Amino acid sequence: EIVLTQSPATLSLSPGERATLSCRASQSVSSYLAWYQQKPGQAPRLLIYDASNRATGIPARFSGSGSGTDFTLTISSLEPEDFAVYYCQQRSNWPPGMYTFGQGTKLEIK
Amino acid sequence: QVQLVQSGAEVKKPGSSVKVSCKASGGTFSSYAISWVRQAPGQGLEWMGGIIPIFGTANYAQKFQGRVTITADESTSTAYMELSSLRSEDTAVYYCARDGYCSGGSCYSGYFDYWGQGTLVTVSS
Repeated sequence: EIVLTQSPATLSLSPGERATLSCRASQSVSSYLAWYQQKPGQAPRLLIYDASNRATGIPARFSGSGSGTDFTLTISSLEPEDFAVYYCQQRSNWPPGMYTFGQGTKLEIK
Repeated sequence: QVQLVQSGAEVKKPGSSVKVSCKASGGTFSSYAISWVRQAPGQGLEWMGGIIPIFGTANYAQKFQGRVTITADESTSTAYMELSSLRSEDTAVYYCARDGYCSGGSCYSGYFDYWGQGTLVTVSS
């Protein structure tokens, strides 16, 4: 099973600052990685797919990068509504149809 | 607009089973896989398994092999997740999610774009 490790566990920043979240895979997942945002009491929301592509309706301040085992989600200038928990998720081709999530990074207001 | 509507909250005894449903509307049910993801209180997301309704075959995360059964009924556009031998650690919100994000004429399996509202399963004696 591919293990995803996110860091940091908690990130404390102020609105307007830049946020950088990391996700490391235990083996290569090529570019088959997504990022989700989850707010309390809500289902997760797809932000980024295939490592760097924004899903429909996602603001341009969200960007993703990386390939292989190291990935980054960057929020260029934090808005108040961005404070939430963020998860990475892999959909590697092998074994097919088997997915895993990272443990999450909580982005909190400083 | 795609909607996934799940069944209501459940309270179960340890050792029993629970079956949660997920009814899809607004899309072509058979064309997409449905995955189940759970979230224990205050914890992260955990993928449990998924099914492609048109094929009827399911994949399960190793952790849940032998204890979870995912099925789908194309006639009612409903997917089901049954978890057996429940223990207190299975207390969680269980989500169904559509597996397959589509954009610009291309579809990408393995990404979850529509989610159910979640079903809280509480396991307690």
